[in-house]
Amino acid sequence: SQQGEEDPQALSIQEGENATMNCSYKTSINNLQWYRQNSGRGLVHLILIRSNEREKHSGRLRVTLDTSKKSSSLLITASRAADTASYFCATDLGGGSEKLVFGKGTKLTVNP
Amino acid sequence: DAGITQSPRHKVTETGTPVTLRCHQTENHRYMYWYRQDPGHGLRLIHYSYGVKDTDKGEVSDGYSVSRSKTEDFLLTLESATSSQTSVYFCAISDLTSGKVGELFFGEGSRLTVL
Repeated sequence: SQQGEEDPQALSIQEGENATMNCSYKTSINNLQWYRQNSGRGLVHLILIRSNEREKHSGRLRVTLDTSKKSSSLLITASRAADTASYFCATDLGGGSEKLVFGKGTKLTVNP
Repeated sequence: DAGITQSPRHKVTETGTPVTLRCHQTENHRYMYWYRQDPGHGLRLIHYSYGVKDTDKGEVSDGYSVSRSKTEDFLLTLESATSSQTSVYFCAISDLTSGKVGELFFGEGSRLTVL
């Protein structure tokens, strides 16, 4: 079974609305990362949050991390059609882990 | 954009033939990874490397081998390809950030079809 699991699997919203995606994981971690993938392309890094951080912002992105619940959320505010993509969370496995494992992703569709 | 090149980008081969995918980086990053992406499974780690000649297994390493003889090149080999290895393969590179593995930079992917 995979370390990270995103929820929901798919999300469809209108332009201007906010989109929230969640990620749950199983083991302790050093950091958690979010990535975006446009159809047919490689993944692009969005944001990294460390285990001792609770919230981080980058432009229209807001990421929270709750290590007690082993969960994270990614909020995209004022969404645009160009935000349509799949979003993945990735975690290491804590300690000196050098492996980064991904969830199955959330497919976001923003309708104009 | 991070300097990562995957080759070939597309390949069709037959069951039982050997296949090698190449990942080349110009960033001098320490860590290199091979993932496969399949519908319903997201990205799964096959193998990774933490230095020249230093590699380790990921979640789905059976049927795959890797080699890293130079910092810039990480090769993924399917010794005898099977239809279950039809997938899109992504290479990624990373370096340490505050002593821990940081963000990954991905290549554009190699689409492999095994008939």
